[in-house]
Amino acid sequence: DAKTTQPNSMESNEEEPVHLPCNHSTISGTDYIHWYRQLPSQGPEYVIHGLTSNVNNRMASLAIAEDRKSSTLILHRATLRDAAVYYCIPPALGAGSYQLTFGKGTKLSVIP
Amino acid sequence: EAGVAQSPRYKIIEKRQSVAFWCNPISGHATLYWYQQILGQGPKLLIQFQNNGVVDDSQLPKDRFSAERLKGVDSTLKIQPAKLEDSAVYLCASSGSGRAGTGELFFGEGSRLTVL
Repeated sequence: DAKTTQPNSMESNEEEPVHLPCNHSTISGTDYIHWYRQLPSQGPEYVIHGLTSNVNNRMASLAIAEDRKSSTLILHRATLRDAAVYYCIPPALGAGSYQLTFGKGTKLSVIP
Repeated sequence: EAGVAQSPRYKIIEKRQSVAFWCNPISGHATLYWYQQILGQGPKLLIQFQNNGVVDDSQLPKDRFSAERLKGVDSTLKIQPAKLEDSAVYLCASSGSGRAGTGELFFGEGSRLTVL
């Protein structure tokens, strides 16, 4: 299974961009990188996923390094509602089916 | 579209008692997951169902935990007898694809268990 490394915590000022890094140096060539976030007292929610090229959606952008050993989740303008724990997850092959294995993630604090 | 529904939201029991959690996934989702999240940690997968069959229960403590998904829709997770270390949030998630490599998981709000 691919291992991921994320900083334990980060801070950002409101309305400024945030770059959340993730190292996944053992990822296989066909594994997508998924990002989820978990707001306080809620279940995780999907943010974005990608394979090789950069991806954009209404929530965020995902920049994937050319060698795929790292990726960066970009929140273009942080809001107070973006304060959450962000998880970088390469799916792992468990008993015949892909599964999402969560680490501790990065706790993002947004300062007003 | 209705999300993943879980109940109860909160439950307090004494050790050695039993408890059951219920999950109703998003309509049409074939894959259902139960995760355990201890305070300060990321969610840990307990069991994965594909329709009404178990795909992976390798991390489920089978001496005290059991789960079923009758008719491939709703699911129930039971703990009997509960221990102090079972205090956690139990999260249910569902996916329209059995391959999590590309599919999105939808999570419920979770059921918070406190064992005294």
